[in-house]
Amino acid sequence: GQQVMQIPQYQHVQEGEDFTTYCNSSTTLSNIQWYKQRPGGHPVFLIQLVKSGEVKKQKRLTFQFGEAKKNSSLHITATQTTDVGTYFCAAVNNDYKLSFGAGTTVTVRA
Amino acid sequence: DAGVTQSPTHLIKTRGQQVTLRCSPKSGHDTVSWYQQALGQGPQFIFQYYEEEERQRGNFPDRFSGHQFPNYSSELNVNALLLGDSALYLCASSPNAWHTEAFFGQGTRLTVV
Repeated sequence: GQQVMQIPQYQHVQEGEDFTTYCNSSTTLSNIQWYKQRPGGHPVFLIQLVKSGEVKKQKRLTFQFGEAKKNSSLHITATQTTDVGTYFCAAVNNDYKLSFGAGTTVTVRA
Repeated sequence: DAGVTQSPTHLIKTRGQQVTLRCSPKSGHDTVSWYQQALGQGPQFIFQYYEEEERQRGNFPDRFSGHQFPNYSSELNVNALLLGDSALYLCASSPNAWHTEAFFGQGTRLTVV
């Protein structure tokens, strides 16, 4: 099974609204990465979080890593149609593989 | 600079057949990982190759095997195909370093009938 759980599985958002997707692990993570996959596309790297409590921003996207390094979140403000896609978190531990969550699929109502 | 390239883009095979998928990593990357992504799921790690050897393997049966060539390109082989092997197969490359971002190819859509 997957090491990280993502909620919600689906997010239907009105254009212009904000939303948050969450990633939770039962174990402490070394770091966490976020990827976006557009419909019919492939995962594209967004960000990597390493430090406990770390917060990083990319324009309208804000990424957080929990203090215990067991959870992370992605918050998008003023959602646009270009935000459509599936957002995955991927756990990175002391090995070489990425353990992906099931993703949050975002649709936007214009 | 070409990114990660995979071939073929689509493939249809019959149960019991064998398939080979190919991947060329991004320039400057020496590490290649393969993932299987079923519809509506996140990518699942199959294995990773570095220096022409399998460095780590996920929970996939021995029917899944691979190879890395001296030019860092890689192949994924699946024997005795099952209907459940139908998925998008993604190749990701990275430099050989801890905790770096993975660059994914467009994937090969395999359908087993």
